[in-house]
Amino acid sequence: DTAVSQTPKYLVTQMGNDKSIKCEQNLGHDTMYWYKQDSKKFLKIMFSYNNKELIINETVPNRFSPKSPDKAHLNLHINSLELGDSAVYFCASSFEPLRGTDTQYFGPGTRLTVL
Amino acid sequence: KQEVTQIPAALSVPEGENLVLNCSFTDSAIYNLQWFRQDPGKGLTSLLLIQSSQREQTSGRLNASLDKSSGRSTLYIAASQPGDSATYLCAVHSSGNTPLVFGKGTRLSVIA
Repeated sequence: DTAVSQTPKYLVTQMGNDKSIKCEQNLGHDTMYWYKQDSKKFLKIMFSYNNKELIINETVPNRFSPKSPDKAHLNLHINSLELGDSAVYFCASSFEPLRGTDTQYFGPGTRLTVL
Repeated sequence: KQEVTQIPAALSVPEGENLVLNCSFTDSAIYNLQWFRQDPGKGLTSLLLIQSSQREQTSGRLNASLDKSSGRSTLYIAASQPGDSATYLCAVHSSGNTPLVFGKGTRLSVIA
């Protein structure tokens, strides 16, 4: 009965490869997010989707492409991986943003290591 | 641009002590403020959410306050326990279609 799940939990890959991280939520939320937590533990938003539509796209290289096949899923595809992409990536979900009660629920994270 | 600062960066206390974690933010036009807990190697767990119209929220031994005009929030933990050891993150949801902005967190260690 996991609320927000991510796969894989760990991902080790070589520079230049293309990889995907999957995220699913079973909370009935209509908004999903991807965050990046760097080596200094600083957590920063990357993307946000509401009802399968992109609503927030922070300054992220276009090698990162989110895909939302439906409201419950938001996958992150990364092309031409670079050393600096090594981080922990968190998926989260909530009800519609801009409401005072939009608590965000986070997945367990995917630790990406680029060699 | 909203900026969130948390002080101290790390804190170590003996079991049983009451403690306060601080969060400050630069833009007082916010929708809400959330406190999260992150355990090593794990995701974030929401502890408390304070709406902009509220001054505090309580859950068990936790009490979070919000002073929007001064751009400050505190998380008070009563009778701390070793199980409270974690990193505590403050995050602010500003007005408009903007994302949550996180502080860098306070790493708490409660020593038995």
